[in-house]
Parts: sequence; structure tokens; C-alpha cells
Amino acid sequence: DIQMTQSPASLSASLGETVTIECLASEDIYDILAWYQQKPGKSPQLLIYDASSLHTGVPSRFSGSGSGTQYSLKINSLQPEDFASYYCQNGLSAPRTFGAGTKLELK
Amino acid sequence: EVQLKESGPGLVQPSQTLSLTCTVSGFSLTDYSVHWVRQPPGKGLEWMGVMWSGGSTAYNSALKSRLSISRDTSKSQVFLKMNSLQTEDTAIYYCTRDSIYNNYFDYWGQGVMVTVSS
Repeated sequence: DIQMTQSPASLSASLGETVTIECLASEDIYDILAWYQQKPGKSPQLLIYDASSLHTGVPSRFSGSGSGTQYSLKINSLQPEDFASYYCQNGLSAPRTFGAGTKLELK
Repeated sequence: EVQLKESGPGLVQPSQTLSLTCTVSGFSLTDYSVHWVRQPPGKGLEWMGVMWSGGSTAYNSALKSRLSISRDTSKSQVFLKMNSLQTEDTAIYYCTRDSIYNNYFDYWGQGVMVTVSS
């Protein structure tokens, strides 16, 4: 099974800052990686797929990059609505494992 | 409009069986795969298993001995059954639609909270 190691587990940042979340796969997943945002009490929502493609309606301050086993999610100019939890996910094969998540909090 | 909605009991007794239904609309189960994902309170997301559009299934190896996923395409429903429930199975259970390329989840249900307690 492909393991997904996500870091950091938590992150404290201010409005307007830029932050980066990392995700490491245990083997090459050929850019088949998704990022989700989850706000308290809500279902996860797709942000990015295929490592760098922005899902419909997602603001351009979100971007994804990476290849092979290493991937990252970058959020530019943090807005109040961005403070949430973020998860990466292996999309290459079942089991479709998630990273443990990153909780982004307002400093 | 694509929608998924989970339904089932909110409370299950330890050692009993959980039965959940995911009712979908706006797409066909023979075109798209549907996955089950759960989230214990305050914790992360755990992939449980999938009903592929072709009718086969795959399961999380940690749950495989207890878990069964099936469907009724005529009713646009996907079913989850998991036996021998324990307190650690307390979680929000989500069903979610796979993309047409089967590599990301583009629509999620609202989730159903299941508490395992006597």
C-alpha cells in the first residue's frame, strides 16, 4: 500500500502570509495526487487534482506542485476562509490513502 | 446536479453491525465509482473502500474482514455494511464520488455521524 506522509501537522500563520504544506508518497505516484480542504463541521472539498490542476471555482492563490514522491500545496496571501484542515491523497491506486492532515490556524 | 446523501442509524451497540446507505443523484453508478471514507472525531480521513463503476469492490486491508460494500443501480444506492463494531468505529461516515478518471473525489456527501456505544 502507498503511504502518504504529510507535514506539518499544524501550522500557524497570519492573514496575507504564504504557507506551504508538504506531502511525501512512499512510492512514485506519477502526479496522481489530490489536495482537499475541510472546514469544521463540513465535508472535505477538492482543491487540486493531478498534483497541480486547480478544481473548478478554487481561487488562484492555491497552487500545487511536485512530482514522483514529493508534492506540495502552496497558499498565497492567506484569507480568513483559508483557515481549515488540508489533506493530500494518493489517487494512483487503491487503497486511496490520505495524508494525516494539516490544520492551518490563524496566528 | 450531482448529490450524494448518506443515511443510517446514529447509534450502534458494540459488536453489532452497521448498515449505511448512500443515495446518489445526477449521475449513474455504472459510470462513476463511489467510495466510503470515515473520520473519527477530531482525527483525519480514512479511506474504507470502493464500489467501482464496473461492479467490483476494493477494501482497506485493515477493515476487509468486517466490511462489505454493495449497490443497487436501479435505486442509485450504494450500501456499506460493517460488522463487529467497536467504540473506535465511532466516526463521521462519508460517501464520495470518484472522478471519471478514478483519481480524485469530486463530490462528497454531507456525512453521517455514527456513535458506537451501549
